[in-house]
Amino acid sequence: DIQMTQSPSSVSASVGDRVTITCRASQGISSWLAWYQQKPGKAPKLLIYAASSLQSGVPSRFSGNGSETNFTLTISSLQPEDFATYYCQQGDRFPLTFGGGTEVEVK
Amino acid sequence: EVDLVESGGGLVQPGGSLRLSCVASGFTFSRQWMYWVRQVPGKGLVWVSRINSDGSSTTYADSVKGRFTISRDNAKNTLYLQMNSLRAEDTAVYYCARDRGGSYYYIDLWGQGTLVTVSS
Repeated sequence: DIQMTQSPSSVSASVGDRVTITCRASQGISSWLAWYQQKPGKAPKLLIYAASSLQSGVPSRFSGNGSETNFTLTISSLQPEDFATYYCQQGDRFPLTFGGGTEVEVK
Repeated sequence: EVDLVESGGGLVQPGGSLRLSCVASGFTFSRQWMYWVRQVPGKGLVWVSRINSDGSSTTYADSVKGRFTISRDNAKNTLYLQMNSLRAEDTAVYYCARDRGGSYYYIDLWGQGTLVTVSS
């Protein structure tokens, strides 16, 4: 199975900050990576797929980058509604696997 | 409106069975691969199973293989997860989810989740 490792596990930030989250795959997955946002008590929401493609309706302050084993999610200017937990997921092969999550919390 | 609505969760004793259902609306269900994903409250996301569009092909996580069965009824726009020989470690919120389609595997639509608690 492909292991997905996210860092940091949590980050404290303020509105307007630039936030970057890292995801590392245990083996190369080309660009087959997605990012999700999850708020407490809610289902996850797809933000980015294929490493850098923005899902329809997602604000452009979210961006993704990377390939093979190293990926990043960047929020260019953090908004109040962005405080949440973020997960990466490899979409290359089954079993699908997720990173452990990164909580973006209020500084 | 595009939606997935799960039902069937609840409290069950270890060794018991439960069947989850997920009714899809607002899109052509019969064309989409579907998934079940679970999450222990306060923990991360874990993929459980997938089924292709006509139900002829399925895949399972090792942790549930031989105990869980995914199926679908395209005439009823409904996805199922039959869970047998349940264990305490199966306790989680179970999400029904839709594959985004196209190349490779991403989830673009999630249900609200249904909580399964395995306890005596």
